[in-house]
Amino acid sequence: ETGVTQSPTHLIKTRGQQVTLRCSSQSGHNTVSWYQQALGQGPQFIFQYYREEENGRGNFPPRFSGLQFPNYSSELNVNALELDDSALYLCASRNQGAETQYFGPGTRLLVL
Amino acid sequence: QKEVEQDPGPLSVPEGAIVSLNCTYSNSAFQYFMWYRQYSRKGPELLMYTYSSGNKEDGRFTAQVDKSSKYISLFIRDSQPSDSATYLCAIQGSGGSNYKLTFGKGTLLTVNP
Repeated sequence: ETGVTQSPTHLIKTRGQQVTLRCSSQSGHNTVSWYQQALGQGPQFIFQYYREEENGRGNFPPRFSGLQFPNYSSELNVNALELDDSALYLCASRNQGAETQYFGPGTRLLVL
Repeated sequence: QKEVEQDPGPLSVPEGAIVSLNCTYSNSAFQYFMWYRQYSRKGPELLMYTYSSGNKEDGRFTAQVDKSSKYISLFIRDSQPSDSATYLCAIQGSGGSNYKLTFGKGTLLTVNP
């Protein structure tokens, strides 16, 4: 069984740029969520995707957007990057109806 | 008031000690209670998961939930240096978008040999 994988592992961008982060869900999992974890903080929920549609969103502006593909993999896109977007971005997957979510290793984004 | 409060520590104990980690939460609608372990620069790893009030044991780890006081705890017996990590409590609703996890800030634990 393959766990959740994310790419890239690290990324450096400058303010105002756009970034795309990628996630492959654990084998058999059809629901993907994205979280932002700032240094010294717990992860914050960004949004969740199921059946290629967003079906839950946290307190993040519209410049955070996502996609889910038919194979359940997902992308997180962030436009107009700000310095405060520097964080570890985590993807978690589960099967719809299951309570437990499993996290990938994360992508560490630094915005300069 | 934050939805989940967790003392960030740091907490430093000698090897073999019993460790107690705690969180409080404010919304009684939450139904599922998780503990995740996160090693430095890694993703969170699910340790324990429980639904109801009471205790759940898994090896050296015991998760405790008291819904009446909105208090959750994780106990680690015979702590080992490999237990050194950040421990995150997380709570979750049920159904649709309520499956989002709401995390505490995490407690940094160091177990000294």
